[in-house]
Amino acid sequence: DIQMTQSPSSVSASVGDRVTITCRASQGISRWLTWYQQKPGKAPKLLIYAASSLQSGVPSRFSGSGSGTDFTLSISSLQPEDFATYYCQQANSFPPTFGGGTKVEIK
Amino acid sequence: QVQLQESGPGLVKPSQTLSLTCTVSGGSISSGGYYWSWIRQHPGKGLEWIGYISYSGSTYYNPSLKSRVTISVDTSKNQFSLKLSSVTAADTAVYYCARERVTTDGSFDYWGQGTLVTVSS
Repeated sequence: DIQMTQSPSSVSASVGDRVTITCRASQGISRWLTWYQQKPGKAPKLLIYAASSLQSGVPSRFSGSGSGTDFTLSISSLQPEDFATYYCQQANSFPPTFGGGTKVEIK
Repeated sequence: QVQLQESGPGLVKPSQTLSLTCTVSGGSISSGGYYWSWIRQHPGKGLEWIGYISYSGSTYYNPSLKSRVTISVDTSKNQFSLKLSSVTAADTAVYYCARERVTTDGSFDYWGQGTLVTVSS
C-alpha cells in the first residue's frame, strides 16, 4: 500500500493567516491526490481533486499543488469555518489510502 | 443532488457479522463512472477504505479486510450493502458510504453522514 504522510499533525493559526499543509506519498502518485475537510461529527468534504482542481462550490482561498510524491494544501486567508481536520488521499494505486490528518486549530 | 444514507445496527456483538446498507437518492446507482464505497474511521483516528462495488457488481476490497468483507448491490432499490464478519472491538468505528469518481480522478465526492457501530457484548 502507498503510505500518505501529512505534516504537521496539527497547526494553530488565527483568522486571516495563511496555512499550508503538506502530504507526502511513499511512492510517486502523479497527480492522483485529493484533499478533504472534516469537521467534528461530520463526513469528509471534497475540497481539491487531481492535486490542484477546486471542487465546485469550494471557496477560492483553498488551493492545492504538487505532483509525484509531494503535495500541499494552502488556505490563503483562514476563516472561522475553516477550523477542521484536513486529509489527503491517493487514488493512483489500489487500495486508495488516506493521510493521518492535519488538525487546524484556533490560536 | 446525490445523497447517501447509511442504516443498520449500532451495536454488534463480538464474533458476529456487521451489516450496513447505504441508500442512494438523487441519482441512480446504475449510472456509469462511479464506484460505491465503504470507508470507516476509528474513534479519533484517520480514514480507512474498506472496499467498493460497481453497479454491475464488480467488487474490490482492501486486502487487510478482504477475508471478512462482502459488499453487494441492489440496483432495484438503489442500495448497496456491507457485511463484515467475525467482528472484534477493533472494528468499532464510524462507517461511511461514499461515491468514488472512478473514471476521472478517484475522489470520493458524496458521502453519507456516517453511522457509529460499536462492537461490544
